[in-house]
Amino acid sequence: EPEVTQTPSHQVTQMGQEVILRCVPISNHLYFYWYRQILGQKVEFLVSFYNNEISEKSEIFDDQFSVERPDGSNFTLKIRSTKLEDSAMYFCASRIRTGATYGYTFGSGTRLTVV
Amino acid sequence: KNQVEQSPQSLIILEGKNCTLQCNYTVSPFSNLRWYKQDTGRGPVSLTIMTFSENTKSNGRYTATLDADTKQSSLHITASQLSDSASYICVVSRNDYKLSFGAGTTVTVRA
Repeated sequence: EPEVTQTPSHQVTQMGQEVILRCVPISNHLYFYWYRQILGQKVEFLVSFYNNEISEKSEIFDDQFSVERPDGSNFTLKIRSTKLEDSAMYFCASRIRTGATYGYTFGSGTRLTVV
Repeated sequence: KNQVEQSPQSLIILEGKNCTLQCNYTVSPFSNLRWYKQDTGRGPVSLTIMTFSENTKSNGRYTATLDADTKQSSLHITASQLSDSASYICVVSRNDYKLSFGAGTTVTVRA
C-alpha cells in the first residue's frame, strides 16, 4: 500500500537553529499538508499546499515556517529559528483530490526536540 | 466554534472484550467524520470515513456510527486484541475540507 514517508524520524536541534523536515507524499496525490502534535495535545493544522503554492495556513504557521516542493516529489517544512515550543511531532499528509470520501494518508511523523 | 470532544479520555479493557468510544462535534458545515487509529509515536491511520447520509460503517472489528442530527458518533471495537492498544481520534471535516481533530481516546487492552 502506498505510504507517505517522512525523514528523519527524530531530530534534536538547538534553539535558534534552522531545521528542515522532509516528506515524500504518495506519487499521484495532489494536495499536501503539514500538521503538528505537541505531546499530549490535539493534532493541529499548519499548512496546506496545492499546485505549488500554499492554499491555506493556520495562525501557527508564522514567518518562521515555510514549505516547499523543490523537485516534484519531496515536500519540505522549514523552521528558520527554532523555539522550545516548536518541540512536537510533525506529520505530513497527502490526498489525491478533495472530496468527502477521499482520505488523507499521514506519514509516521518526525519528532522534533528543541533544546 | 468548531469543536470535537471525545470521551472517555482513556480506558482499559481486557482482551476479548468490547468497548465503545464517543465523539460529539459542533463542526459546521459538516462534510464527513473520520476515525483514526494512532499508535504511539506513529501517524494516524484511517479506520472509517462517513458522510452525512451514512449512519454506520464497519472496518473489520471496528464499527463506527454517525447521528448527524445530534452530531454524535461512536466507534465500537469488538473482541479487542492487544494490538488495539492505541489512541483513537475522531476527526470532522467541513465542506471546505478543513479538519477538526478530537483529543483522542487512549485504549489499553490488557491480557
